[in-house]
Amino acid sequence: GQNIDQPTEMTATEGAIVQINCTYQTSGFNGLFWYQQHAGEAPTFLSYNVLDGLEEKGRFSSFLSRSKGYSYLLLKELQMKDSASYLCAVRDRLVSGAGSYQLTFGKGTKLSVIP
Amino acid sequence: GAGVSQSPSNKVTEKGKDVELRCDPISGHTALYWYRQRLGQGLEFLIYFQGNSAPDKSGLPSDRFSAERTGESVSTLTIQRTQQEDSAVYLCASSLGGSGGNEQFFGPGTRLTVL
Repeated sequence: GQNIDQPTEMTATEGAIVQINCTYQTSGFNGLFWYQQHAGEAPTFLSYNVLDGLEEKGRFSSFLSRSKGYSYLLLKELQMKDSASYLCAVRDRLVSGAGSYQLTFGKGTKLSVIP
Repeated sequence: GAGVSQSPSNKVTEKGKDVELRCDPISGHTALYWYRQRLGQGLEFLIYFQGNSAPDKSGLPSDRFSAERTGESVSTLTIQRTQQEDSAVYLCASSLGGSGGNEQFFGPGTRLTVL
């Protein structure tokens, strides 16, 4: 089966650095995504990792270790607007017929940034 | 428009009624996904369309749920004989394809409330 674990909630201070972890156990692996979702809004894409290592994009970085089934999202220089839920999603099983792969989402980590 | 659009934005219905939700993907996107998100929960995959291939319906929770897509355009999600447990935000997403690093672009969602 598919299992993706993330902490339910985290709190961090404005200007600080926060790391949101994601562990996964899936029947296959073809890439890992991080999405940001503000309350009442649709998720928006943050990052994609398919190979081991760190991908940096501005204040956000994402890391992947396939052998450990582990990823993290690193947010630097936190701003109040970063308060949101962060969703980890794994592209896992092959969708027969469609010839492509499906995403399985974790339940998300609600990050609160405080002054 | 440039993004994924969904209608209606909000739908309140009585238990036992049928509802139809609509999604307009980004033009040229061959992959289309429907998800359900209950309050405070993660995204739950419902159904996936990829071009003219047979859709992946493995996420549909019961036979009351069905979805159609005409070619690579509009999709409708139909819920028959709605139940209170169907209350959730229904999100549609599209992407250029279903594989690789193609990110999913989400619509604003339809908030369904079943009384």
